[in-house]
Amino acid sequence: GQNIDQPTEMTATEGAIVQINCTYQTSGFNGLFWYQQHAGEAPTFLSYNVLDGLEEKGRFSSFLSRSKGYSYLLLKELQMKDSASYLCAVIDSNYQLIWGAGTKLIIKP
Amino acid sequence: ETGVTQTPRHLVMGMTNKKSLKCEQHLGHNAMYWYKQSAKKPLELMFVYSLEERVENNSVPSRFSPECPNSSHLFLHLHTLQPEDSALYLCASSQGADLNTGELFFGEGSRLTVL
Repeated sequence: GQNIDQPTEMTATEGAIVQINCTYQTSGFNGLFWYQQHAGEAPTFLSYNVLDGLEEKGRFSSFLSRSKGYSYLLLKELQMKDSASYLCAVIDSNYQLIWGAGTKLIIKP
Repeated sequence: ETGVTQTPRHLVMGMTNKKSLKCEQHLGHNAMYWYKQSAKKPLELMFVYSLEERVENNSVPSRFSPECPNSSHLFLHLHTLQPEDSALYLCASSQGADLNTGELFFGEGSRLTVL
């Protein structure tokens, strides 16, 4: 079966750095997405990786290793507004989008 | 504001009621999706429409019935639901007619409670 694993919940301190990991076992790979979802709001697109390496976008970066079936989302200079759930999703060889259950990130002052 | 609007935001219904969820996208996108989101579970794809044609139905019970009258509107008709159907129902759209080749734009969801 196809599977995506993310930690259920993480806690970090304002101003610090946090890394949210995502490992996947899918039938093929055509890209990986990260979405952010604040409580009661719509998920919004953060990043897309299809090649190995690090993609940086402001305070957020996303890394991909296809050989390891692994990605992470790195959030720097954490702010209280970064408290949200972070969803990892992989496009498999049939262009089906496989979702993880999401990581709830709690930021403490 | 994502350009995808869902109504109602909250809905409480009995098991014998009939209700509908509505989704409208103002982005000129070609594909629209219904997802079910339950606590601590991955998003579950229910239905997909591309260019107003249904292209995917992930073995969803017949008590859920989708309708896509045009490329901007998507409905989910609900009938004789069960308490386990209580969840957040998310609508999404994407630009291309080829599914899952670009980012999804989500609405804020309709929170459904079945009594």
